[in-house]
Amino acid sequence: QKEVEQNSGPLSVPEGAIASLNCTYSDRVSQSFFWYRQYSGKSPELIMSIYSNGDKEDGRFTAQLNKASQYVSLLIRDSQPSDSATYLCAVNWDSGGYQKVTFGIGTKLQVIP
Amino acid sequence: KAGVTQTPRYLIKTRGQQVTLSCSPISGHRSVSWYQQTPGQGLQFLFEYFSETQRNKGNFPGRFSGRQFSNSRSEMNVSTLELGDSALYLCASSLKGNEVGSPLHFGNGTRLTVT
Repeated sequence: QKEVEQNSGPLSVPEGAIASLNCTYSDRVSQSFFWYRQYSGKSPELIMSIYSNGDKEDGRFTAQLNKASQYVSLLIRDSQPSDSATYLCAVNWDSGGYQKVTFGIGTKLQVIP
Repeated sequence: KAGVTQTPRYLIKTRGQQVTLSCSPISGHRSVSWYQQTPGQGLQFLFEYFSETQRNKGNFPGRFSGRQFSNSRSEMNVSTLELGDSALYLCASSLKGNEVGSPLHFGNGTRLTVT
C-alpha cells in the first residue's frame, strides 16, 4: 500500500507570511506529484505539479521535490486570507502502463488577517 | 471548454436504497475516476475507467460499482445503502490516464446523505 502523509493541521499563518505545507510518501518509484487546493464545500483544483527534483515556481506558489528523501512541499509566499483552504498532496506512479494516484489527507491552512 | 459535470449535486436516501451518480468528463478526456471523500478519511479511491474498461479498483465493497459508456460518460452505483456511505462523491477526469503525470480535473461532486 503506497502511503502519502500530511499533517492535517490546521496550520495558521498571519497574512503576508510564508506558509509551508509538507508531504512525505512511501514509494520510491513515485513519478509525479501534485498539489490540489480545496475550499470548504468545493471540489479540489490543481494548483501545482512537479516531476523532477528541485523547485518549481508559479506566482506566489513554489513546489519543492526531493525524491531521495521522498518529500514534497508547497510554499505559499505573501499568504492571503483567500489562500485559506485544505491543500491535498497527490502522488502518482506508473502501474502497468497507466497511472495510479494516492492522496494525502490534506492540510488545512488558515491565513489570519 | 466545459468542466467535469456531476449530477445530481445533492441526494438524500434511506438505508437499504440504491443510488446512481452520473459524471460527464471534460471533452476529449477518456479516463474517469471516482473518489469518496469524508472528513475523517480524506479522498478514498473507488475505481477508474478508461475506454469503457475498469482498470483499477480501490478497497470498497461490491455494493459500489460503476461503468463507462462509449462517450466516456460514467455512472457510479451504490446498492443497499448504509449510513456510512454518506459522503461527498467526486468524479475526476484526465486526458489519457495512461501517462504518468496526467493531472486530475474534478467535478463539483455529489453530496450523498443516507438517513
